[in-house]
Amino acid sequence: NAGVTQTPKFQVLKTGQSMTLQCAQDMNHNSMYWYRQDPGMGLRLIYYSASEGTTDKGEVPNGYNVSRLNKREFSLRLESAAPSQTSVYFCASRYSGTGIFQETQYFGPGTRLLVL
Amino acid sequence: QQQVKQSPQSLIVQKGGISIINCAYENTAFDYFPWYQQFPGKGPALLIAIRPDVSEKKEGRFTISFNKSAKQFSLHIMDSQPGDSATYFCAAKYSGAGSYQLTFGKGTKLSVIP
Repeated sequence: NAGVTQTPKFQVLKTGQSMTLQCAQDMNHNSMYWYRQDPGMGLRLIYYSASEGTTDKGEVPNGYNVSRLNKREFSLRLESAAPSQTSVYFCASRYSGTGIFQETQYFGPGTRLLVL
Repeated sequence: QQQVKQSPQSLIVQKGGISIINCAYENTAFDYFPWYQQFPGKGPALLIAIRPDVSEKKEGRFTISFNKSAKQFSLHIMDSQPGDSATYFCAAKYSGAGSYQLTFGKGTKLSVIP
């Protein structure tokens, strides 16, 4: 199993350009998440999808859109990139089971985005 | 409003020492408290987790201590090793069905020096 994969690994954009960050998981998880990580700010939730066909805003959704394409894939789109969106973006999926690990989120390797 | 407050922001510990990272929360509706470990250039990964019905959870050199009345929980790393150098995040989740989000602390960068 590859777990959670993200593409691309790195991207440089100019202000105003658009792009889509791709995420896929092969663990048959229902829930998927997009976070951004900035120095000193921890992990902040952008959007999440509790199950296929549903999406909800997180803490910092402005400037982003998401699509839950199917159970495996959850994409994040920046329609008009701004320098404030320079960050490391992580996708995660959530194991839904029983016991202490039923809430575990599995993270991808991240996408490093620089907006000039 | 920061719902999970983590301290310190950074920590330097000598090899063999004890690393202690603290988190505090306000919302008594949280019912699950995990710690995630993140190495440079990698995504976070679950390290250890606890529910509020127990006061301590130990896995190897890693221990979570939980104080429900004080609304605080902490991560203790015994016999800290250079390989433990990473950023550690505490987190919390609301109770109840249909709750899918984790709220993360801002992280602690741990450096274990030889």
